[in-house]
Amino acid sequence: GENVEQHPSTLSVQEGDSAVIKCTYSDSASNYFPWYKQELGKRPQLIIDIRSNVGEKKDQRIAVTLNKTAKHFSLHITETQPEDSAVYFCAASTTYNQGGKLIFGQGTELSVKP
Amino acid sequence: DGGITQSPKYLFRKEGQNVTLSCEQNLNHDAMYWYRQDPGQGLRLIYYSQIVNDFQKGDIAEGYSVSREKKESFPLTVTSAQKNPTAFYLCASSLGLAGSYEQYFGPGTRLTVT
Repeated sequence: GENVEQHPSTLSVQEGDSAVIKCTYSDSASNYFPWYKQELGKRPQLIIDIRSNVGEKKDQRIAVTLNKTAKHFSLHITETQPEDSAVYFCAASTTYNQGGKLIFGQGTELSVKP
Repeated sequence: DGGITQSPKYLFRKEGQNVTLSCEQNLNHDAMYWYRQDPGQGLRLIYYSQIVNDFQKGDIAEGYSVSREKKESFPLTVTSAQKNPTAFYLCASSLGLAGSYEQYFGPGTRLTVT
């Protein structure tokens, strides 16, 4: 079945720096790749997603890139702020034949130091 | 995500007892999902349902059961057969086959079994 690997497990940056989180997936049929942000004790919140027919997507300070050949995708956060501190999860899904079920990476704990 | 509710927020049970976690959504979503989250780990899929009266096992279904009698409701029962039930349980929903596969999460139920 699908497997998603996420790196790094922890990431510490200075406020204003950029942060990059990388994920690889195993199932070449995967076609939907969301990213979630989870603050301590809270529910995961969808922050950005990308579909397999697109190579890059941006939303203000957040961007996601997808390399289908290499089967990896990355989250880029620019001009980081302390409120970006949270755990970030990537996920992969094959929407057309598996009910949209998500396979999650292990998470990256991002700490932004003021 | 405000349209998905889970109750209760915290639940305590003795070992050997079955317990049912509630998940309700008023988003008119067809698909619903149950995930389990353990400390420092990603989310793992327990069960999912694409339509009423139909559901499929996820990656860790053993010791759990679900029902989908109404579109709005997808309760999860943690049975005494589940070896390590203490965890944070998250319910999610999406439009599914009717449209987008973006999943939105409820606030979660933290179950402690002693």
